[in-house]
Amino acid sequence: DQQVKQNSPSLSVQEGRISILNCDYTNSMFDYFLWYKKYPAEGPTFLISISSIKDKNEDGRFTVFLNKSAKHLSLHIVPSQPGDSAVYFCAASWKRDDKIIFGKGTRLHILP
Amino acid sequence: DAGITQSPRHKVTETGTPVTLRCHQTENHRYMYWYRQDPGHGLRLIHYSYGVKDTDKGEVSDGYSVSRSKTEDFLLTLESATSSQTSVYFCAIRGSSYEQYFGPGTRLTVT
Repeated sequence: DQQVKQNSPSLSVQEGRISILNCDYTNSMFDYFLWYKKYPAEGPTFLISISSIKDKNEDGRFTVFLNKSAKHLSLHIVPSQPGDSAVYFCAASWKRDDKIIFGKGTRLHILP
Repeated sequence: DAGITQSPRHKVTETGTPVTLRCHQTENHRYMYWYRQDPGHGLRLIHYSYGVKDTDKGEVSDGYSVSRSKTEDFLLTLESATSSQTSVYFCAIRGSSYEQYFGPGTRLTVT
């Protein structure tokens, strides 16, 4: 049973517009959430995280929003750039555990 | 850059042969992880280590074993490789705030 779900396998967005990637989770014990970006033939790169005590975290063009009641988080990229084309993984953890659970990923295409 | 290297980067092997993948880190991190990435499955945890000689199973540990005899090295062994173990394998370390940092990956093909 998937605990972290990314229901959109792919997403296409025009360069300069906002990209919104969504993620749902089922385990209410999760208290720490992360987003990773992955280019082909490279390892995933940590992008941004958020603790469950917050509902928003911002880092430059990247903002993560957390809605605990809906068990939903999203990653906003503004403005989208060609280099943002990659696979994005959502992940969740609870700090007492040593492990992170990853979603299956969403492939983002930034169109010129 | 978390100072993680993986070797080999690419390997082709035959069914039934043993294979060992190596992960090396230079920053003395306590936690190390092995994942596999497959189309449609995302990243799945195979095994992880929380210290020298301290390891535990992940979600897809069957057919794999690990060893950690020193802090900097975490080895993943496929005792008898099968075609279902064809995958890309990533090693990771845990940073100070629970995030993980990944190595460049090893592409393994079992023929």
